Amino acid sequence: QVQLQQWGAGLLKPSETLSLTCSVYGGSFRNYYWTWIRQPPGKGLEWIGEINHSVGTYYRPSLKSRATISMDTSKNQFSLKLTSVTAADTAMYYCARDDGSGKVDYWGQGILVTVSP
Amino acid sequence: QSVLTQPPAVSAAPGQKVTIFCSGSTSNIGDNYVSWYQHVPGTAPKLLIYDNSKRPSGTPDRFSGSKSGTSATLGITGLQTGDEADYYCGTWDSSLSAVIFGGGTKLTVL
Repeated sequence: QVQLQQWGAGLLKPSETLSLTCSVYGGSFRNYYWTWIRQPPGKGLEWIGEINHSVGTYYRPSLKSRATISMDTSKNQFSLKLTSVTAADTAMYYCARDDGSGKVDYWGQGILVTVSP
Repeated sequence: QSVLTQPPAVSAAPGQKVTIFCSGSTSNIGDNYVSWYQHVPGTAPKLLIYDNSKRPSGTPDRFSGSKSGTSATLGITGLQTGDEADYYCGTWDSSLSAVIFGGGTKLTVL
C-alpha cells in the first residue's frame, strides 16, 4: 500500500518562501510522477507541478517562475519550494502520485499554508 | 477559470441518479484519459474513476464514467447521503503539458 506523508511550515509572511516535503512509503518511487496540488479556500483543485526521475519537471505556467520541485531518490522524498508568497498562495497543499497520464491515485493528508502579515 | 468545465452544483434525492458532465477540448479530454475525484472537505481527494471508465478497488459500482469526444460524464446511481461531496474531473493537457482539473461540482443529496 502506498502512503504519502507531508510536512512543512503552515504560516508564512508575504515575500517568504514556502517549503514542503513529502515522503513516499511503499511502491516504486522512480516510475511515477510526484505531484503537488493545492486548493485555495472556497476554490477548486489547482495543479502546481510534478517531477519524474527520468523525464524531469513540469510546472503550472502561472507558477513556473516561483516554483521548484525536487526529489531525493535515496530518501523517497520530494519537495516543493514556492518563492515570494502572497495571500493568493494561501491554500491546502497536497502531495500526490500521478501515474503519468494525469491519473492521481494516491494523496498526502494535506497541509494548510496561510500567508498573512 | 478552469480549462475543463463542470456545472457548479447538482442535487437529487436519495436513491435517485445524477450525472455530472465535464467539457474540455481536443488537447485534453479528446486526447487523454479522464479521471474523476471525490473530495469531502477536510479530507484528501479520492480517485473515483480512472481511464475514463475504470473503477479502482473500493469504488462502488454505483459510480460509472464515460467519455465521448471532448466530454466526459460521471454517473452516480442509488444516491446516498454519504455521496455528498465535491466531484472533480481531471486529465492531462497535451498542449499545456499540465494536469488540469475541472472547477468541481458540489453534489447535494436532498
